[in-house]
This record gives sequence, C-alpha cells and structure tokens, in this order.
Amino acid sequence: GAVVSQHPSRVICKSGTSVKIECRSLDFQATTMFWYRQFPKQSLMLMATSNEGSKATYEQGVEKDKFLINHASLTLSTLTVTSAHPEDSSFYICSAGDARSYNEQFFGPGTRLTVL
Amino acid sequence: SQQGEEDPQALSIQEGENATMNCSYKTSINNLQWYRQNSGRGLVHLILIRSNEREKHSGRLRVTLDTSKKSSSLLITASRAADTASYFCATDAGNSGYSTLTFGKGTMLLVSP
Repeated sequence: GAVVSQHPSRVICKSGTSVKIECRSLDFQATTMFWYRQFPKQSLMLMATSNEGSKATYEQGVEKDKFLINHASLTLSTLTVTSAHPEDSSFYICSAGDARSYNEQFFGPGTRLTVL
Repeated sequence: SQQGEEDPQALSIQEGENATMNCSYKTSINNLQWYRQNSGRGLVHLILIRSNEREKHSGRLRVTLDTSKKSSSLLITASRAADTASYFCATDAGNSGYSTLTFGKGTMLLVSP
C-alpha cells in the first residue's frame, strides 16, 4: 500500500513558539491531504483538507490563522501550529489520498505535540 | 450530527475468541471504512465496504453493512493478542472526488493471552 510519513514523530516545545509538522506521500502523488487531531482516548477530528496549489479548507471551529497549512507540492503538506499553547498538545495525524485508489486515505504515523 | 458511533467502547476477550464491534451512523453514505490504531500510532486501513455491498471479508475480518439500519459490524475471528488495539469506523458521505471521513469514537479491544 501507499506510504505516508510524518516528521517529526514527537515534539516538545515551549508555550508561544511555533511548530511545523510535515506530511509526505512517499510513493505516490497526493493532490489532497487531510489533517486530523486526536486527543487522548478520543477519536480523530478532521481539522482541514489540504489541496495542492490552493488554500486549505478548514472545518468549523478550527482557526486557520492558528493552524497554517501549506500544500506546496504533490508529495508534501505542512501544518504549522502558531504560538502554541498547552491546550494545543495533541496527536496530529495526516492522511493522503491516492488517485489510484479512489477515496482511500493512507494515514501517516502521527506527531505527538506537547506544549509546556 | 456525528457519524460513526461505535459500541462497545471497550471489549476484553481471550485469545481464540471472536470479537464483534458495531458502528452506527446517521446519514446516507458512499462507503464505510474500518481502521485500526495501536496505542500512540497512526491508523491502519482494514477494509472498505461500499454502500451497495452487504458483506465483505478480508482474512480473519468480516464486515457487514446494513444501510437500512445505518449500521455496520466488524467481526474479528480467532483473535490474537496482537489484535489488541483501538478500532474505528469512518464514514464517507461525499458525492464526488475525495470526501472527508468522519470517525466514530472507537472501540478499544484487549485480547488476553
């Protein structure tokens, strides 16, 4: 199956700093990538849909200025958590859609963000 | 309204037993997918069942879909300790292209040796 990577896998930062998370599709081109957030023992909540070459579509309640998404190429999308605060601590997971496999999303391994 | 509510929230069984997890949803869907997540890890896609399908098999997995009841079940037969994980259903209700998935709350499965 298609492989999606995320970097870093774990990050600890101080409150007020910005953190960038990368999501890469390794062996396929992904015109669409998705960013999810998962709090402990809870389900995944879609934050935004990232389309290559255009602006991301954010879900209701997700601040676009807080969570900046850039999908600059067909294999890379980045999520930047700006001015992070402890309540932003969470598990962030990306997924990428492979055009060869309609509507199947391949998930990255996730990034654990801890804001002190 | 939230799609994909799973039950039970937690399930504890012995190796060799079967595990059944259920998922209910509220609106029409294109397909329903089941995922597995080991603690602190990413998601692994298990199986996708389309709205015009009623049952699908993959190895020890059996998924059913009843669109009239808006429900699906995932059966894992002859469970193993390595099956211990959280299992999520996700519904795709879009009409075209890449649709967004809505995840349920998940069932935490514990298989004891």
